[in-house]
Formats: sequence, structure tokens, C-alpha cells
Amino acid sequence: DTGVSQNPRHKITKRGQNVTFRCDPISEHNRLYWYRQTLGQGPEFLTYFQNEAQLEKSRLLSDRFSAERPKGSFSTLEIQRTEQGDSAMYLCASSMTSGGFRNEQFFGPGTRLTVL
Amino acid sequence: GESVGLHLPTLSVQEGDNSIINCAYSNSASDYFIWYKQESGKGPQFIIDIRSNMDKRQGQRVTVLLNKTVKHLSLQIAATQPGDSAVYFCAESVYGGATNKLIFGTGTLLAVQP
Repeated sequence: DTGVSQNPRHKITKRGQNVTFRCDPISEHNRLYWYRQTLGQGPEFLTYFQNEAQLEKSRLLSDRFSAERPKGSFSTLEIQRTEQGDSAMYLCASSMTSGGFRNEQFFGPGTRLTVL
Repeated sequence: GESVGLHLPTLSVQEGDNSIINCAYSNSASDYFIWYKQESGKGPQFIIDIRSNMDKRQGQRVTVLLNKTVKHLSLQIAATQPGDSAVYFCAESVYGGATNKLIFGTGTLLAVQP
């Protein structure tokens, strides 16, 4: 499978616990994005990496959230001291910088987080 | 399974009919637009994109129309099939911008009746 993969697909945790999600982008893609989606809404941008550099963070990303992409390949998103409001689908997408017209982002299947 | 269609605008069509899904975007500086299809429990799937220097772009059974004057996008699906049932989102970005992050609109649930 050459698409974007995410693990785990589902995570149930108790309030106050820390969780970590992983995203493996399409191998040649240098850009990686994290989005969050709640039921009935479109995805909302959280953060963006170009290679290993984190270049933008949304104000939605509180100090309990941290993301890394240490070698410019896979990325992790950690949420510390989870709250019930963190329950959502966390989506990862990747794209390739190009000089051409196309700049589509390819999404993974998402990690569904439920905080009890 | 879960549904991403709760509280969403819904378009119900008969199998074989053409579907038109509309979207209003917010940023007049946006110059790149994408339509995504999202099935229940899955991530968004790319359908078609368009740059702001174009008014129309066609793919297989799908056409995207862009009206920059009123900041409006539409997605036309020809001969709609049951497999087209999903939530459809339009997304905008500034092409060549610092991040190309996508801003998603409110989705539309397409329900295809056999």
C-alpha cells in the first residue's frame, strides 16, 4: 500500500492520559499536515511540516499538543492530559512540493480518539 | 459505523441522475480549490482540483465550476451511482503560499437512491 497510513485507527483513553498517534506519509512527499475533524464538520488544520521543520501551528493546537517529524519521514502527534473535548478524528495528509499545477493533499484513514 | 453526515446539508438524488453540489468559499485570496469525498469512517479522498485561472475543469464523470466573482464552487457528478453516496467537502488554499493548508467548507451529504 503506497498511501498515507495512520496508527492506531482507534484509541480510547481516560481523561488525563497521554496519547500518541503516528502518521506515515507517501514516501516521496515532503509536506505533512495534521487536521482534526469532529462529527459533522470538515477537517480543521492543526499543523504543517516541510521535511522535518514544523512551519505552522494553528491556534487550535494548545500547549497540550505537540507534533514531531524527526527525520522528515513519519510524524507523531502527542496529546498530553487529554480532555473530553479532544475526542475527534485526527487526520494526516501529505503532499509534494512541485512547480506544477497540482498540489493535492492525500489523506490517511485517520485515528479516531475517544476520551472517556 | 460512524457517520460524518449528522447535521449536514443533504442532497438526495435518484441513481442515474446528475448531481450538483455547491460550495461558497471565504477567502478572496484563495486560488486553489479541491473537492474531496469522504465515506463513513474514512479519510477524505481527492476527487478533482482547480486553479483560479480556470473556470471549469472536467474529470471522469465529474466537473468542477469556479465563479470567482461570487466566490462559489460547484461539483457536478454525471450519472450518479450508489457508490457516490458520501459527504463531499470543498477546500480552499493559497497556491504557492507558505503552507498550502486547506480550509474546508461545510460538507454536503449526497444520498443516492437506487
